[in-house]
Order: sequence, then structure tokens, then C-alpha cells
Amino acid sequence: SQTIHQWPATLVQPVGSPLSLECTVEGTSNPNLYWYRQAAGRGLQLLFYSVGIGQISSEVPQNLSASRPQDRQFILSSKKLLLSDSGFYLCAWSVGLAGVNEQFFGPGTRLTVL
Amino acid sequence: DQQVKQNSPSLSVQEGRISILNCDYTNSMFDYFLWYKKYPAEGPTFLISISSIKDKNEDGRFTVFLNKSAKHLSLHIVPSQPGDSAVYFCAASAYFNKFYFGSGTKLNVKP
Repeated sequence: SQTIHQWPATLVQPVGSPLSLECTVEGTSNPNLYWYRQAAGRGLQLLFYSVGIGQISSEVPQNLSASRPQDRQFILSSKKLLLSDSGFYLCAWSVGLAGVNEQFFGPGTRLTVL
Repeated sequence: DQQVKQNSPSLSVQEGRISILNCDYTNSMFDYFLWYKKYPAEGPTFLISISSIKDKNEDGRFTVFLNKSAKHLSLHIVPSQPGDSAVYFCAASAYFNKFYFGSGTKLNVKP
């Protein structure tokens, strides 16, 4: 069966510090991978998605970046965090087969920027 | 511009009654719609989906209705249970690899 891991579960970082959140998927090959952010009182905002190694699409301009160094690894990074980067970050995966469109989410990372 | 909208941020229902959660979308290219349930500090879990070729899909207590002409979908939960209390997100997809989510509706089912 497939599983998705995210770490860390919680993170408190000062403004201006770097960020690296990691997501890995097990039990599937060539998944589509996604990073979402849920800010306080708001819905899920798609940040990045990837259909393959090295292929990253950015949905919103921001000081975040994403990378996919391996098939089942997706990393969210920032060189300098802003206060507005605080939120709940979710990684998700889906398989790119017609008719199988559900996304499966990881447990999330709660990021607080002080 | 938000392409998927959930205009009710919260909904309170008595246990045993019907819960109706609504969702509107603007992009006529969306062809697949999903509902997710989310508890605090957890990732969303998939609940039910519907393809644009259907207007209804049922799974146990959960039924999703799609009105393509109105660009509207709804999730019905009958009967509602206290364990259903969570935030519900609707999502839509135009291509299999890209999803758009609404802002969520917090459902509170009172015992």
C-alpha cells in the first residue's frame, strides 16, 4: 500500500531563516506530487505541483521554491522566511491514470515564523 | 481569482439530521470533483468524488450532487453524526494532475 511521509511535523523558525520541508511517497511509481498551504482561517492553496523528476510548476509567486530530486521525493524550500509564510503545509500525491484522480495527503507540517 | 468557492465558512446541524455542504465553481473545463474531510492538524482525507458525466454519486451516508449548468455541487450527509464534525473541502480538476480547492466549510454536528 502507498504511504506518504512529511517531516518535520512542527517547526518554529525566525524571520529570515531558511526552510526545508521534505515529503516522500512509498508504494507507487511516478506519482504526481503537490505542495499546498493552509493559512489560518483559509482554504488549501496549491503552491507547486510536479509530474516528474525535475519538473516543477509554480502556482503562486512567492519566496518559496520546490524541487523533486527523486521520483518519490518532493522538497519545499525558502532562502529567507517571512512572517506570512506561517501556515500548515501539506504534501499530496496522485497517480496520473485516467479516472483515478484522488489526491492523498500527508500528515502536514505546522510552520510558525516568528 | 478563486475558481472553486465554498461560501459558507461554517454549518451547524443536529445529530441525525441532514447536512448539506455547497460548492460553486467558475471554470467550465472542470471535469472531476472531489470532497475531502479534514480534522485539525491532520491532512485531508478523500471522501467522495463525481465525474462530470454524472449528476449524482452515493456512498453510504454521503451523496454528492453535481449541477453542471449551475456550476454547483453539494455534499449531503444523512444522517449526520458527531464524528462528522470536521472541515470539508471541495476540489475540482480540469486535468488529472491539477486540483483546485475551495476555502472549506466547518461542519459541527451537535449531539
